[in-house]
Amino acid sequence: AAGVIQSPRHLIKEKRETATLKCYPIPRHDTVYWYQQGPGQDPQFLISFYEKMQSDKGSIPDRFSAQQFSDYHSELNMSSLELGDSALYFCASSLRGLSEAFFGQGTRLTVV
Amino acid sequence: AQKVTQAQTEISVVEKEDVTLDCVYETRDTTYYLFWYKQPPSGELVFLIRRNSFDEQNEISGRYSWNFQKSTSSFNFTITASQVVDSAVYFCALSEERGSWDKIIFGKGTRLHILP
Repeated sequence: AAGVIQSPRHLIKEKRETATLKCYPIPRHDTVYWYQQGPGQDPQFLISFYEKMQSDKGSIPDRFSAQQFSDYHSELNMSSLELGDSALYFCASSLRGLSEAFFGQGTRLTVV
Repeated sequence: AQKVTQAQTEISVVEKEDVTLDCVYETRDTTYYLFWYKQPPSGELVFLIRRNSFDEQNEISGRYSWNFQKSTSSFNFTITASQVVDSAVYFCALSEERGSWDKIIFGKGTRLHILP
């Protein structure tokens, strides 16, 4: 069965650079969630989209932005990267109204 | 506000022993969902189980079992006859239903070491 696809799987950037993470939800899923998991931490909710509109916002820095496109894939854009942005970034997708989210394998971002 | 507490930060047991991971949650909603995820060293989040708040029936899946008790707001996870491959971080999580599915809130996780 198709799962949530995230790309790239690994990314190394320097401080102050920009990074773009991509998420391809499960086909027909209309909701995408982004999570950030720092080393030794639990995943923290960043932002979500339903039908291409932002539906909820968590602890997402102003340097970060995200959107969901017409094909339902989503991109998380991170600018002016800081060392503290080094983390595992997860995307999850669901079909609105269902109580189950499926997570991608994550993108490991390292800022040096 | 919703909250998930996993009081056990780290647990070590010898292989073949049984181990229980505790999870206590807080929510003001009457309809909610509880989850357990496994995160092995490779990093992915592996879905283990989801329970809704109206189903207090305990569940068993192979060596895994879950004990859901609304009276104590707990959703504990037991691994019987543990194996080295069970070594991972385990997260308990909660989502509330407010007309539609809300985001998942995770506990801090319990790091489980199964010693050979």
